[in-house]
Amino acid sequence: DAGVIQSPRHEVTEMGQEVTLRCKPISGHNSLFWYRQTMMRGLELLIYFNNNVPIDDSGMPEDRFSAKMPNASFSTLKIQPSEPRDSAVYFCASSFRAGGYYEQYFGPGTRLTVT
Amino acid sequence: GQQLNQSPQSMFIQEGEDVSMNCTSSSIFNTWLWYKQEPGEGPVLLIALYKAGELTSNGRLTAQFGITRKDSFLNISASIPSDVGIYFCAGQLTGANSKLTFGKGITLSVRP
Repeated sequence: DAGVIQSPRHEVTEMGQEVTLRCKPISGHNSLFWYRQTMMRGLELLIYFNNNVPIDDSGMPEDRFSAKMPNASFSTLKIQPSEPRDSAVYFCASSFRAGGYYEQYFGPGTRLTVT
Repeated sequence: GQQLNQSPQSMFIQEGEDVSMNCTSSSIFNTWLWYKQEPGEGPVLLIALYKAGELTSNGRLTAQFGITRKDSFLNISASIPSDVGIYFCAGQLTGANSKLTFGKGITLSVRP
């Protein structure tokens, strides 16, 4: 079975540029999560969707970050404009939320470097 | 926000040894999950626990959901070099919808 797919795996960009990260969740899953991981702050939840609807975006650091989920099989996380402090590994995870089960499955991540 | 505490930050063991990791919180969790992350990869789910007192095994791994619902532990028996990685605990709080709270992780090193 295909797991969570993320692209690109690595992104290097200059400060001020727009960055778009992409995620394809596991087929049949109805919840999708975007996380950011840094050495200093660990794994932080940015936003999550249930049935394509954003439920909680309280972790989104600022207005420069936005996320969309136009359908059940695709989501994007956009940073515009990017800044060096956005450098991190960004993970997408998906789960099938039903009956009290909360197991999340992570993608391989996108390592973002903003210079 | 709510925190899950994992300590120590790093553990060093000899191949063949058993190791135990704890995860604690001041809040009650309904679900406990344990993940392992290897360099350059995303966290991989190892074990999920859904009932207080539940003890679940997955090969050489055993995890338990604490009776108080405020802690969980993960045991790895007869460690091997490929057990190296960062081990995260995660929990789901009552009323937290689908959100998981993650610990900071424990980096495990195994000496051959």
